[in-house]
Amino acid sequence: QSVLTQTPSASGTPGQRVTISCSGSSSNIGSKTVNWYQQLPGTAPKLLIYSNNQRPSGVPDRFSGSKSGTSASLAISGLQSEDEADYYCAAWDDSLNGHVVFGGGTKLTVL
Amino acid sequence: QVQLVQSGAEVKKPGASVKVSCKASGYTFTGYYMHWVRQAPGQGLEWMGWINPNSGGTNYAQKFQGRVTMTRDTSISTAYMELSRLRSDDTAVFYCARSVKWSPLSDWGQGTLVTVSS
Repeated sequence: QSVLTQTPSASGTPGQRVTISCSGSSSNIGSKTVNWYQQLPGTAPKLLIYSNNQRPSGVPDRFSGSKSGTSASLAISGLQSEDEADYYCAAWDDSLNGHVVFGGGTKLTVL
Repeated sequence: QVQLVQSGAEVKKPGASVKVSCKASGYTFTGYYMHWVRQAPGQGLEWMGWINPNSGGTNYAQKFQGRVTMTRDTSISTAYMELSRLRSDDTAVFYCARSVKWSPLSDWGQGTLVTVSS
């Protein structure tokens, strides 16, 4: 059971916009910024969004993030086949001198 | 450029220990925490803990307390994660990843597969 809650799966057709949600609590998302990771099959996770809505260099602007209260979401617009991957939200947690907590992951299927 | 290069795959018997290494390059090793993250086959990411390479201080997830030890050797910019009393459900890929405290895990190693089997 992950500390952050994500729906296990999402899907969309090429060109569509999909949203992935992440729910936490006051000690993590409620007080810390949210980061999103993309994991393509057979590869290590890659930082996709940091500080709720910032994109690292090289990440297309089709990816965007937002946060409100103890929830966050990742939106992918103009869906492409190469976006098919697992997506994880994560945040630091104020408890115990700073743990990191992950969501259970959302498997995105491009139909 | 930043690189985190992990040691190779391991096969261990139940009850044994495994020690995985993560060699850092391209940045000041002592300036970033090193985290370890476990991913069982077909499962999600599970944070295990971090080590502050500057001080050697550690912070472990409760689930792994008593079984995990994170260390570092600053002379060779390498972090280590040792997991003891291995069980079959410890079979997983283990990743190292760096971050500044309270910041995202920005760079990840390639992962090390540890298989626990009798």
